[in-house]
Amino acid sequence: NAGVTQTPKFRVLKTGQSMTLLCAQDMNHEYMYWYRQDPGMGLRLIHYSVGEGTTAKGEVPDGYNVSRLKKQNFLLGLESAAPSQTSVYFCASSWTGPPYEQYFGPGTRLTVT
Amino acid sequence: AQSVTQPDIHITVSEGASLELRCNYSYGATPYLFWYVQSPGQGLQLLLKYFSGDTLVQGIKGFEAEFKRSQSSFNLRKPSVHWSDAAEYFCAVGVSNDYKLSFGAGTTVTVRA
Repeated sequence: NAGVTQTPKFRVLKTGQSMTLLCAQDMNHEYMYWYRQDPGMGLRLIHYSVGEGTTAKGEVPDGYNVSRLKKQNFLLGLESAAPSQTSVYFCASSWTGPPYEQYFGPGTRLTVT
Repeated sequence: AQSVTQPDIHITVSEGASLELRCNYSYGATPYLFWYVQSPGQGLQLLLKYFSGDTLVQGIKGFEAEFKRSQSSFNLRKPSVHWSDAAEYFCAVGVSNDYKLSFGAGTTVTVRA
C-alpha cells in the first residue's frame, strides 16, 4: 500500500496564479483532510471531507476550495494565490470510527512570490 | 475553548539521555490522544495513541506516553535518545463526538553527540 500520496512535492507560484494539489489514499478511508503547516503554529485544518461528494470548512478555509469527486482523491485548489499562502500543505485520511487516528501524506511545499 | 498546549518549543538533549515532552489539553469530553513525529522534510508519522484502558501506552521507536486525567496531560518519554530521534513532535487531541483532531504547536528536539 502506498498510503497517502501528494502531488506535487514542491511548487513555486506567482501571486494571482492558480493551482491544484492532489491527494490520493489507497486505504479506503472515508474521511480526508487538508492542513497547512506554518512555523510555530502546528497544523491548521483548511477543509475536510466525510465522504465522496462532501466537503466542509475547517479552521482556515479562506482562499482555498476543495473537491472530493472520488473516495480515494481529495483536491485542494488555490484560485488566486497570495504570498500568505506560502506554506507546507499536508493531506491526511482516517477511518470513520474513533479514535480517528489520521494518516498523513509527505506534504507539498508551496512558495508564492 | 478546546486547546492543546506543548509548553516547550525546543528541547536539546544529549544522545543516550532521557527525553520527556509535555502535552496539556483542555477538553470537556474524554479525549483521544496522539503523538506524531515529523522528521525534517517528511510527513507526520504516528508514534502512539491512547483512547481507553491502560494509561501508559507504548509506541514505536521505543517511545511511551502516560495519560494523566487529573493533570490533563499526555507526556511523551523515551529512556535513551538516539541521534535519529531529532525531529519535531506534535501532540494531537480528539474527542468521541468529533473526528477532527487539534494539534499542538510542536516541540523540536535536537540531539547532540
